[in-house]
Amino acid sequence: QQPVQSPQAVILREGEDAVINCSSSKALYSVHWYRQKHGEAPVFLMILLKGGEQKGHEKISASFNEKKQQSSLYLTASQLSYSGTYFCGTETQGGSEKLVFGKGTKLTVNP
Amino acid sequence: GAGVSQTPSNKVTEKGKYVELRCDPISGHTALYWYRQSLGQGPEFLIYFQGTGAADDSGLPNDRFFAVRPEGSVSTLKIQRTERGDSAVYLCASSRGGAYNEQFFGPGTRLTVL
Repeated sequence: QQPVQSPQAVILREGEDAVINCSSSKALYSVHWYRQKHGEAPVFLMILLKGGEQKGHEKISASFNEKKQQSSLYLTASQLSYSGTYFCGTETQGGSEKLVFGKGTKLTVNP
Repeated sequence: GAGVSQTPSNKVTEKGKYVELRCDPISGHTALYWYRQSLGQGPEFLIYFQGTGAADDSGLPNDRFFAVRPEGSVSTLKIQRTERGDSAVYLCASSRGGAYNEQFFGPGTRLTVL
C-alpha cells in the first residue's frame, strides 16, 4: 500500500528549514528517500533501516519511527539546489527489494 | 563511472503496436528494477531482477508487459498491444543489493501511445 507523504508542497526562502513526513499503514523494514528535479531521474538521498541504521547524504538527516510506521526528512538551512520533488519509498519486507513510493512532496526554495 | 542508461529517451508509438525499452545498469550491479512514473506521481514498481531471474514481477499490470535480463546485465521491457494508458516515463534502476540497496536511477524513457 502506498505511503502517504505530507505536506504535498512547501515553499521556503533560502536558509529556512523544512520537514517532510512519510507515513505507512504497514510495518516497515526500511524507508528510502529520493529527490527528483523536473525532467530528471530520482537521486538517492538516504536509507533508514529497521533497527536504527542509516546511510545517506551528509547535509540531510532523517528519522524512522518503527512503532509509528513513519519517517521524516529534515532539510536544514535550505539551499536553492534543494528544490525538487521528494519521494519516500517504503519496503515492508526485509530482502524483498520492492519499494512502494509515495506521491511526493514538492519543495521550492526561493532566494 | 557510467550511470544507468536507458534507450530510447523518447518513444512515440501507435495504439496496438509493440515496443521495447532498454536498460543498461551500472556495471557490477546485480539488482535491476523497472518502474513506471506518471505525471505528478511517484515511481510505481513493475519488476525486480536479481541476476538473470525475475525475483518479483508483482507490479507488472497485465500480461502485455514482459521483461527479460538474459545475461544478468542489460534488461529489456517489452510491451505488446500498447494502449494509451501505457503512456508514462519508464524508469530503470540498479543496485548492488543487500541491506543498503540504494537504487541508482536512469534518465527514463518517455513512452507516448497515440
